[in-house]
Amino acid sequence: AQKITQTQPGMFVQEKEAVTLDCTYDTSDPSYGLFWYKQPSSGEMIFLIYQGSYDQQNATEGRYSLNFQKARKSANLVISASQLGDSAMYFCAMRELIRTGANSKLTFGKGITLSVRP
Amino acid sequence: GAVVSQHPSWVICKSGTSVKIECRSLDFQATTMFWYRQFPKQSLMLMATSNEGSKATYEQGVEKDKFLINHASLTLSTLTVTSAHPEDSSFYICSARGQGENSPLHFGNGTRLTVT
Repeated sequence: AQKITQTQPGMFVQEKEAVTLDCTYDTSDPSYGLFWYKQPSSGEMIFLIYQGSYDQQNATEGRYSLNFQKARKSANLVISASQLGDSAMYFCAMRELIRTGANSKLTFGKGITLSVRP
Repeated sequence: GAVVSQHPSWVICKSGTSVKIECRSLDFQATTMFWYRQFPKQSLMLMATSNEGSKATYEQGVEKDKFLINHASLTLSTLTVTSAHPEDSSFYICSARGQGENSPLHFGNGTRLTVT
């Protein structure tokens, strides 16, 4: 079974509007972390936001917020007030803290392409 | 913030030659670094976990003799693609985890390898 599922093939949003990028995950590890990364066409991976499995509140970082629904195992990224520079691929990733132990490797989803229209 | 430097950013080599890619953590010590491979429009696939002072841990299906990893210091890990073939052409990207259990991975800018 896939650990991280991102099924939206591509998303379009009008500049200045909000957009939600979906991510569901699968783990039996009680302790895990969820991450979102942005990858523009240049290829660099830019860390956006983190949510811990025990965090009581949804994470927020500037225009980024994470809609964490633990029971549904979803961790959707919400980008408010979209900007042209937000056009990129977005990856959801998970680290299982107990299962992977000290190495704590990240498992990535397939990614979602977001295009912001002027 | 934590910075990871990867070099070279792109390289073209002939079949049968070897290519070395360097990954450096510039402002923090990284006991563990990760090497990923990414095909166009696809996800990052973990190739191996590089541990300072010990052998790398390779993911299933990754040939350890083809993708040699050396992590000789707390700030440097290298990936050498040996006897490269055109099918090795890909985007290789390294990452290092900052200090703290919840810290994110910080990525290098990647290396685009083209084998002719």
